[in-house]
Parts: sequence; structure tokens; C-alpha cells
Amino acid sequence: GENVEQHPSTLSVQEGDSAVIKCTYSDSASNYFPWYKQELGKGPQLIIDIRSNVGEKKDQRIAVTLNKTAKHFSLHITETQPEDSAVYFCAAMTSYQKVTFGTGTKLQVIP
Amino acid sequence: EPEVTQTPSHQVTQMGQEVILRCVPISNHLYFYWYRQILGQKVEFLVSFYNNEISEKSEIFDDQFSVERPDGSNFTLKIRSTKLEDSAMYFCASRRGLSSTDTQYFGPGTRLTVL
Repeated sequence: GENVEQHPSTLSVQEGDSAVIKCTYSDSASNYFPWYKQELGKGPQLIIDIRSNVGEKKDQRIAVTLNKTAKHFSLHITETQPEDSAVYFCAAMTSYQKVTFGTGTKLQVIP
Repeated sequence: EPEVTQTPSHQVTQMGQEVILRCVPISNHLYFYWYRQILGQKVEFLVSFYNNEISEKSEIFDDQFSVERPDGSNFTLKIRSTKLEDSAMYFCASRRGLSSTDTQYFGPGTRLTVL
């Protein structure tokens, strides 16, 4: 089955700096890569996604990149703000029916 | 904006007891899912459900687990005889369809504590 690795597990940045979270996946059949933000006591919330026919996607301060050949994808958050502090999960979908999550990155933005 | 809802938010039960976790998916969604997250760990897929049938399940989803859509709105996860290791957050998710533009939306979760 699919295996998604995520790094780093924790990340502290100063407010205004950029944050980068990296993931790798194992199944070359994966074709959809969502990123979720999970705040304390809440469920994962989709923040951005990328499909395998696209190399990069941007939404305001958030961008994702995908390298299918290397099976790498990354989340970039620019101009970080305290409200960006949360746990971020990358994920991959192979079958249409399940999301395989990465191990999570706890992001702390220091004011 | 439509959202997935789950009840209860927190369930405490004794080991060996049966629990039913309830979810109301987004109304025009056809595909339903349960995931769990043990404290401090990643979210793990349990089961997917479509057209009143399980379409995929993980090795975690053993005979102690069952899912049901008893009416047109609710989607339930039943654990027949809870174990201590079933303590986790359980998330329901739903998806409208299987096209590339359809995304899974997650509910806020039910925290299950087995004593």
C-alpha cells in the first residue's frame, strides 16, 4: 500500500518567515495530494491540493509543488502568521477511496 | 458552507461495551469514510462506504467494527466490544463523487475514551 513520509515533525519559525514541509510517497499510482491543517480539537481541514498533472499550485500565501519523478511534494507557507500555528498533514490518494496521511508537522509561528 | 457533523464530541465507555459514533455527511455526498487518530499519531483510514456497501477497509477494521447508513442522513460506526486501544479520535469524512475535483471533507471528530 501507499506510504507517505513527512518532514520535519516539528517546525518553529518567526512570524513573517517562510515555512516548508516536505513529503515523499511510495506508490507511483497516487495522483492527488491534499494538504490538511489540523487545529487543536478539530478535524483535518483541506487547505490546498495538487493533482499529478500539475507541478505547482499557489493560493495566496500557500503554495504546493509536486515532483512526480522523485515522488516528492512540498508545502510552502510565506509570511507566516501566528494563526498558521497548527499541525499540517500531507496526504496521497491512490485508490479513489482512501487518503493516506503523512505523520504530521507541528508548526509553531513565534510572534 | 455545508459541513460534516459528528456526535457526540466525546464518548467515554468501559472496556467491552458497545459504542456507536454518529456522523451526518454533507447532504449531496455519496461516499463516506471513517478514520481514526490515536493521540499524537497520524490519521489512519478505517473504511469507505458507498451505495450501502463497504468499498474498502483497512486491516484495523476488523470484525469488531461495522458501519451503517440507517437512514438518508446518518452514517454510523459501531464498535461491538471496545478495547483500551480503541481510544482515539474518530473522524468521519464525505465526498460528493470520484472526479478529480471532488475532495473529502472531514468532520470535527469524536474523542473516544475506553476505560
